[in-house]
Amino acid sequence: NAGVTQTPKFQVLKTGQSMTLQCAQDMNHNSMYWYRQDPGMGLRLIYYSASEGTTDKGEVPNGYNVSRLNKREFSLRLESAAPSQTSVYFCASSTFTLPRHGYEQYFGPGTRLTVT
Amino acid sequence: DQQVKQNSPSLSVQEGRISILNCDYTNSMFDYFLWYKKYPAEGPTFLISISSIKDKNEDGRFTVFLNKSAKHLSLHIVPSQPGDSAVYFCAASYPSGSARQLTFGSGTQLTVLP
Repeated sequence: NAGVTQTPKFQVLKTGQSMTLQCAQDMNHNSMYWYRQDPGMGLRLIYYSASEGTTDKGEVPNGYNVSRLNKREFSLRLESAAPSQTSVYFCASSTFTLPRHGYEQYFGPGTRLTVT
Repeated sequence: DQQVKQNSPSLSVQEGRISILNCDYTNSMFDYFLWYKKYPAEGPTFLISISSIKDKNEDGRFTVFLNKSAKHLSLHIVPSQPGDSAVYFCAASYPSGSARQLTFGSGTQLTVLP
C-alpha cells in the first residue's frame, strides 16, 4: 500500500517547454487534488477532481491543465512553462464519504519543479 | 484575501516545554479544522482535526482548541520533542459542490531545542 505516489521527484524545464506531472493513489479515494507550495504562501489549490470523469478549477488554475485518467490517476500538465511556475507540486487524495478526521487529504511526496 | 492565517512564521521552544501554534480564520462556512505536519522534502501528513461543533480535541501529546466566536484555533504540543521540529500547517475544510476543499494557512516552522 504505497498511498499517493508522484513522478518525477525533480524536474528542470526551460521557459516554454511542456511537461506532465503524474499522480496515482491506491486507497480507492474518490477525490484527488493538485496543489503548489511557494515560500510563505502555504499550499494553494490548482485543480481538483471530485470523482472520476470530473475536474474543477481551484484557486490558481492559470497555466495548468489536468486529466483524471481513471479513479487512481490524476495528472497535471504545464503546456508552456514559465518561471512563475517554479514551485513544489503536491498531489493529494481524499474520500468524502466519512468525516472521520475532518475529510483529511493524504499527500504525495511532491515534485520540485524549476523553470529557467 | 487569506481566509486562514498563521501569523507566526516561526517558533522555538525548549524540549519538554509546551509548544502553542496559532491560527485565525475568516470564513464562517468552515466546518472542520485540521493540522498538518511537514518535514523537508516530504508531503504534509495529517496530525489532528476538530469539528466546528466542538471546542477541544485531544490525541496523545497533541490538543487542538477551537474558539468559534474569535475564529481562532490553536495546537498545543506537550511535552515538545526534538522530532516535533517541522512546519505545521493549519487548514480549514468546507463542502464545495461535489467535493471538499481544504484552505491552508502559510505555515509555522517549529524548532524544538534539545
